[in-house]
Amino acid sequence: DIQMTQSPSSLSASVGDRVTISCRASQGIRNDLGWYQQKPGKAPKRLIYAASSLQSGVPSRFSGSGSGTEFTLTISSLQPEDFATYYCLQHSRYPPTFGGGTRVEIK
Amino acid sequence: QVQLVQSGAEVKMPGASVRVSCQASGYSFEMYGVNWVRQAPGQGLEWMGWIGVYSGNTNYPRSLRDRVTMTTDTSTRTVYMELRSLTSDDTAVYYCARDDDSSDWYNMLWWGQGTLVTVSS
Repeated sequence: DIQMTQSPSSLSASVGDRVTISCRASQGIRNDLGWYQQKPGKAPKRLIYAASSLQSGVPSRFSGSGSGTEFTLTISSLQPEDFATYYCLQHSRYPPTFGGGTRVEIK
Repeated sequence: QVQLVQSGAEVKMPGASVRVSCQASGYSFEMYGVNWVRQAPGQGLEWMGWIGVYSGNTNYPRSLRDRVTMTTDTSTRTVYMELRSLTSDDTAVYYCARDDDSSDWYNMLWWGQGTLVTVSS
């Protein structure tokens, strides 16, 4: 199975900060990666698909990059509603696997 | 619009089985696969399996293959996930999640609201 190593596991940031979250795949997965945001008590919501494509309706402060084994989610200017947990998901190779999550907290 | 509505919370004894339903609306039901994902309290997301609604084909991870079964009822547009031989480790919120595209398996876009399953004696 492909392991998705997500870092950091948590971070503290202030409103307006630029935030970067990374996912590393144990094998190449082309660009078959999505980023999800999950708020407490809610289902995950996809922000980015195909590593760098912005999901319709998602603010443009979210962006994704990478291909192969290294991927990044960037929030250009953190907003109060962005405090949540973020997950990456690879769906290139069976079985699909999630990263361990990154909790973004208020500093 | 696409909606996935799941059944309500369940409390089960250890050793019992649970069946969670996921009723779909707003799209051509048979065209897309549906995944199940669970999340134990305070933990991350774990993929539990996939069913192709048109074919009935299923894929399950090795860790759950002996205990999980996914089925569909096209007449009611409902997908079911049954998990057997429950232990306290199965206490989690269970989500159904539809594939983004009919040919892009496991690329989950639409999610149900989640169903809490508590296993306790």
